[in-house]
Amino acid sequence: EAGVAQSPRYKIIEKRQSVAFWCNPISGHATLYWYQQILGQGPKLLIQFQNNGVVDDSQLPKDRFSAERLKGVDSTLKIQPAKLEDSAVYLCASSFVQGGHEQFFGPGTRLTVL
Amino acid sequence: RKEVEQDPGPFNVPEGATVAFNCTYSNSASQSFFWYRQDCRKEPKLLMSVYSSGNEDGRFTAQLNRASQYISLLIRDSKLSDSATYLCVVNMGNAGNMLTFGGGTRLMVKP
Repeated sequence: EAGVAQSPRYKIIEKRQSVAFWCNPISGHATLYWYQQILGQGPKLLIQFQNNGVVDDSQLPKDRFSAERLKGVDSTLKIQPAKLEDSAVYLCASSFVQGGHEQFFGPGTRLTVL
Repeated sequence: RKEVEQDPGPFNVPEGATVAFNCTYSNSASQSFFWYRQDCRKEPKLLMSVYSSGNEDGRFTAQLNRASQYISLLIRDSKLSDSATYLCVVNMGNAGNMLTFGGGTRLMVKP
């Protein structure tokens, strides 16, 4: 079974630039999550989708971050404009059901903002 | 106070040692609990769930104390391959049953 796919794997940008990340969850997984993991910390949930609807985005900095999952499968996360403190690994995860305890994570996108 | 708190370590232990990690959580309404493992520069993966009665999976034992809002993970007979960061994860029971991750405890097993 194919795992969660993410691209790009690495991205380096300058502050105030824009960047987008893409995620393709495991086939059949209705719930998709985006996490931000800063070096030395645990993952922090940014947004959770159930199919193409947002379940929770309370920790998403909406002035600069946006995410969508238009057809209930792939998802994109965008940052515009980026700040230095956005440097982190952005992890996408999926689970078969909402609240399903086993979340399967993709390899992440490592973002460096200079 | 953080919602899920762990000692960041690192814990440096020799092969064959027994090591224990602790985790506390702030929300008494939390419903379910897990340990995830994250290797260096890799994604987190589920290690085991934590049940009220305690549970064991080979060399790994997880315990939950709801009264003290405390979770533990015990690793017996440590192997070099156990070197990783162990993340304590709690379903806070909020809408969406989202998982909240602790900061992780780093374990380094030495020959």
